[in-house]
Amino acid sequence: AQSVTQPDIHITVSEGASLELRCNYSYGATPYLFWYVQSPGQGLQLLLKYFSGDTLVQGIKGFEAEFKRSQSSFNLRKPSVHWSDAAEYFCAVVGGSGGFKTIFGAGTRLFVKA
Amino acid sequence: GAVVSQHPSWVICKSGTSVKIECRSLDFQATTMFWYRQFPKQSLMLMATSNEGSKATYEQGVEKDKFLINHASLTLSTLTVTSAHPEDSSFYICSAQGSGSRTVEQFFGPGTRLTVL
Repeated sequence: AQSVTQPDIHITVSEGASLELRCNYSYGATPYLFWYVQSPGQGLQLLLKYFSGDTLVQGIKGFEAEFKRSQSSFNLRKPSVHWSDAAEYFCAVVGGSGGFKTIFGAGTRLFVKA
Repeated sequence: GAVVSQHPSWVICKSGTSVKIECRSLDFQATTMFWYRQFPKQSLMLMATSNEGSKATYEQGVEKDKFLINHASLTLSTLTVTSAHPEDSSFYICSAQGSGSRTVEQFFGPGTRLTVL
């Protein structure tokens, strides 16, 4: 069965520091991978996605993610965090079977300190 | 493009009443929509898959008689929480599946906060 693991429940970084949020997936074939961000009381905003091709994908707000098949990982990175990046981040995988259901990780809460 | 709206954005109701939440794809047609539930500080939990013109498919453990889903058109799906109780209080999010080259993608609504008193 497909699954997504985000090992870090929460992370705190200083403003201006670099960020890496971890995501590991379990899926038999090449997955479709997504990162979403959610501010409190809001819906989800798509940061970036990976379907195929270049394993380093660029997203909005200066985020990028790298797909590593050998490690079953799709970690999200940002070189310099801004206070407005404080939010909940979800990694998600979509499989081709079962009507393209999206499986979400548990989420990582990002805190940014001044 | 690919905008999804939800109405209402928040609702407060008394225990025992029913509440209807609408999910609309504004600029595209969606054969398939999904309904999620999110408790505070938790991830999204898929409740059901809504297919236009057919019965919804519910995930294990979700009561279909309590959470009625109707997908009557290619742009509208509704979730009705029947005889709501305080434990139904949650954040409900819908999404619409894209079409063509964007079939793999889902486009999410802004969510509806339900509070049952």
